[in-house]
Amino acid sequence: DGGITQSPKYLFRKEGQNVTLSCEQNLNHDAMYWYRQDPGQGLRLIYYSQIVNDFQKGDIAEGYSVSREKKESFPLTVTSAQKNPTAFYLCASSIGWGNSPLHFGNGTRLTVT
Amino acid sequence: AQTVTQSQPEMSVQEAETVTLSCTYDTSESDYYLFWYKQPPSRQMILVIRQEAYKQQNATENRFSVNFQKAAKSFSLKISDSQLGDAAMYFCASRGGSNYKLTFGKGTLLTVNP
Repeated sequence: DGGITQSPKYLFRKEGQNVTLSCEQNLNHDAMYWYRQDPGQGLRLIYYSQIVNDFQKGDIAEGYSVSREKKESFPLTVTSAQKNPTAFYLCASSIGWGNSPLHFGNGTRLTVT
Repeated sequence: AQTVTQSQPEMSVQEAETVTLSCTYDTSESDYYLFWYKQPPSRQMILVIRQEAYKQQNATENRFSVNFQKAAKSFSLKISDSQLGDAAMYFCASRGGSNYKLTFGKGTLLTVNP
C-alpha cells in the first residue's frame, strides 16, 4: 500500500545536537511538507517542496533545514539554532496544489533535553 | 495570506446526536479551498471533507457535512449521528487557489459521550 513513512516514532536528543527526521513517500506525489504541532497551536508549516531540488520556507523555518534530492524523500534537520525543538513533527505530501489534499505520515515525537 | 480561526477549543456531544464545529477564515484570494482534518488519539491526520470556494453546494461525506457561508467566511463542520470513533481533534484548513501551502486552525477537541 502507498503511504508516507516517518521514522523514528520517538527521538531523543541532547541540547546542542543537530537531528534529522526522516520522511519517505511512495505515493508518487510531487509536493512534500513538514509541519510542527504543539499543544494549542495547531499545525504550523516549517518547509515545503513543490518539486525535486526545490523548497520554500514556511511560517516557522528558523532553526530548520531540508533537502529534496529525490522525489520520495524530504528529510528535516532540526539544528541547534532552533530554540524550542521539542514537538511533534508531521510530514505530508500532495499530488499538487488547489484542492489536492495532504496525506500525512504518523509523525515523529522529538524530545530535546 | 490565509488565516484560520477555530473559536471552540473543546466540544462535547452525546453519542447519536449532532454537533457542529465552527471555523472562520480570512483570505485575499478569490479562488481557494477549504478542508477539515481529523486527528484521533493515534495522531494520524485524516482528511474528513473538502470544499472548493467556487462551488455553492455544500460538501457532504456520509455523516459529515459542511455549512459554507462564503460572504461570512465561515466553514463549519456538522457531524450527524455521532459515534464514539468520532472523538478526535478536528482541524480546519485553507489554501489559496494556486498555492501549495495549507494553513491550519488551532483545532477543536471533540469528546463523544456514550
